[in-house]
Amino acid sequence: NAGVTQTPKFQVLKTGQSMTLQCAQDMNHEYMSWYRQDPGMGLRLIHYSVGAGITDQGEVPNGYNVSRSTTEDFPLRLLSAAPSQTSVYFCASSAGTGSYGYTFGSGTRLTVV
Amino acid sequence: DQQVKQNSPSLSVQEGRISILNCDYTNSMFDYFLWYKKYPAEGPTFLISISSIKDKNEDGRFTVFLNKSAKHLSLHIVPSQPGDSAVYFCAASEIVTDKLIFGTGTRLQVFP
Repeated sequence: NAGVTQTPKFQVLKTGQSMTLQCAQDMNHEYMSWYRQDPGMGLRLIHYSVGAGITDQGEVPNGYNVSRSTTEDFPLRLLSAAPSQTSVYFCASSAGTGSYGYTFGSGTRLTVV
Repeated sequence: DQQVKQNSPSLSVQEGRISILNCDYTNSMFDYFLWYKKYPAEGPTFLISISSIKDKNEDGRFTVFLNKSAKHLSLHIVPSQPGDSAVYFCAASEIVTDKLIFGTGTRLQVFP
């Protein structure tokens, strides 16, 4: 049981480049989210999804796109990378809200130069 | 506008003593509150949760207390162990929006 798998683990981008952070879960969870972690800022919600075909914005959505074509996958796209997007990105999934805890992936460390 | 706040960035506690981590929130519509633990280079892991209709939930060494009138919750760890040294995040969710919002985290260090 792999849980939540994020790829790549590390990435360096040049300003203006685009890329997709991959996230896959094998727990048949309906809910999936993307967070970024920055020093002193905690975990901030970028985008989230409550099921295939349904996505919504979180606290810091600008510069990022998402889609949810299947239950398993929830990729995060950076359209034109900026140094302000240097961060650690976490994908998470859950069977539901409320007392259900989200299961997190191990993260992608992204540096934009 | 930070809806979930953890005002203490760090806490140091001796092994065997109680650790108390605090969290404040501003949104009275939050239905559930959760605590996560994070080690370096790993994703956060779920610890314990509490519904807004309860004021206490216990799981082994971990107890979460909720004071709705003060919009405050706390996580008690007793007895504290060196393996508890990590960053602890408070989080809150609102069923209507389905979002899970996190605080800024408190780094707990448990020393022998």
